[in-house]
Amino acid sequence: AQSVTQLGSHVSVSEGALVLLRCNYSSSVPPYLFWYVQYPNQGLQLLLKYTSAATLVKGINGFEAEFKKSETSFHLTKPSAHMSDAAEYFCVQTMNTGFQKLVFGTGTRLLVSP
Amino acid sequence: DVKVTQSSRYLVKRTGEKVFLECVQDMDHENMFWYRQDPGLGLRLIYFSYDVKMKEKGDIPEGYSVSREKKERFSLILESASTNQTSMYLCASSPGGGGYTFGSGTRLTVV
Repeated sequence: AQSVTQLGSHVSVSEGALVLLRCNYSSSVPPYLFWYVQYPNQGLQLLLKYTSAATLVKGINGFEAEFKKSETSFHLTKPSAHMSDAAEYFCVQTMNTGFQKLVFGTGTRLLVSP
Repeated sequence: DVKVTQSSRYLVKRTGEKVFLECVQDMDHENMFWYRQDPGLGLRLIYFSYDVKMKEKGDIPEGYSVSREKKERFSLILESASTNQTSMYLCASSPGGGGYTFGSGTRLTVV
């Protein structure tokens, strides 16, 4: 069965510091992978997606993620955190064949301090 | 701008009531989904639909049903609301290929 593990339910950084949110997937075949962001009292917004093209994927708001098959990882990074980045982030996978049901990680809340 | 619209942002219902949560998308997507979101549990799939009048159970369908009479509308029904169904409910649609669009959510409180 597919599963997604996000390490750390909360991550705290200072404004201007590197953001690193960790995600490991579990799939016997290469999946499609996504990062979504949820701001307070809002729905989910797609940050970026990997669909078996380039392994380094650039998304909105300066975020990027790298697909590493050998590590089954898809960590999300941003070089310099901004206060507006404070939100909850979800790593998500789906299969690239058949009906594409999303499998969500449990989420990581990013806290940014001045 | 493409949209998934959930009819209510906040709802308060009494135990035992029949509750309807409505979701409408304007993107002509085949696939629609209902998730519930709870702290520490992430999003869990309740039901999904890949075509009009078609529905499939997700991971936690107990206590829920759905209706999809038109392509653009996917309704979630709580037959007899209970306090353990207090949650944030998110609707999503997709044409396939991973392009999911989510609604803003409905926060349901059952008292």
